[in-house]
Amino acid sequence: NAGVTQTPKFQVLKTGQSMTLQCAQDMNHNSMYWYRQDPGMGLRLIYYSASEGTTDKGEVPNGYNVSRLNKREFSLRLESAAPSQTSVYFCASSEAAGGGGYTFGSGTRLTVV
Amino acid sequence: QKEVEQNSGPLSVPEGAIASLNCTYSDRVSQSFFWYRQYSGKSPELIMSIYSNGDKEDGRFTAQLNKASQYVSLLIRDSQPSDSATYLCAASTGGGNKLTFGTGTQLKVEL
Repeated sequence: NAGVTQTPKFQVLKTGQSMTLQCAQDMNHNSMYWYRQDPGMGLRLIYYSASEGTTDKGEVPNGYNVSRLNKREFSLRLESAAPSQTSVYFCASSEAAGGGGYTFGSGTRLTVV
Repeated sequence: QKEVEQNSGPLSVPEGAIASLNCTYSDRVSQSFFWYRQYSGKSPELIMSIYSNGDKEDGRFTAQLNKASQYVSLLIRDSQPSDSATYLCAASTGGGNKLTFGTGTQLKVEL
């Protein structure tokens, strides 16, 4: 049982480049989330998808877009990367109906130079 | 802005002692509360959930919730060096089961 799988694990981008972070879960969860984690700032919600076919902005959505491709997959796209987007990105999923906690992926460490 | 606040630490306790981690939250309508453990360079791992006032025990871990005081705590009994990690408190906010996280408390268990 893989849980939540994120790719890639590490990435270095130049300012202005674009990239997509991939996330897939095999737990049949309805809800999926993208967070970023920065030192001293904690985990901050970028976007979330409460169910297949819906997406909503979180606390820090500027500079990002998302796609809920199907129930399993939720991708995060940086259209024009900026140094301020250097961070560790975590994808998570949950069974929203039960109000349970999240299962996190292993994270993507992104550096924008 | 709904907030979850934690003391960043580090909190140092000797091996075998009880570690007490605290958290306050600002959103009075929060219903679900969670504690995550995060080792350096790793992803957060769910260790406890609590939904009603009082205590909930699971092995060496006890979560405590006081909704009137908007206060959540985690007690770790018989602390081990392997418990050394950052502990994140989270509270549910809004719809879609969104969670707001605190910045975490670093725990160090010393031999």
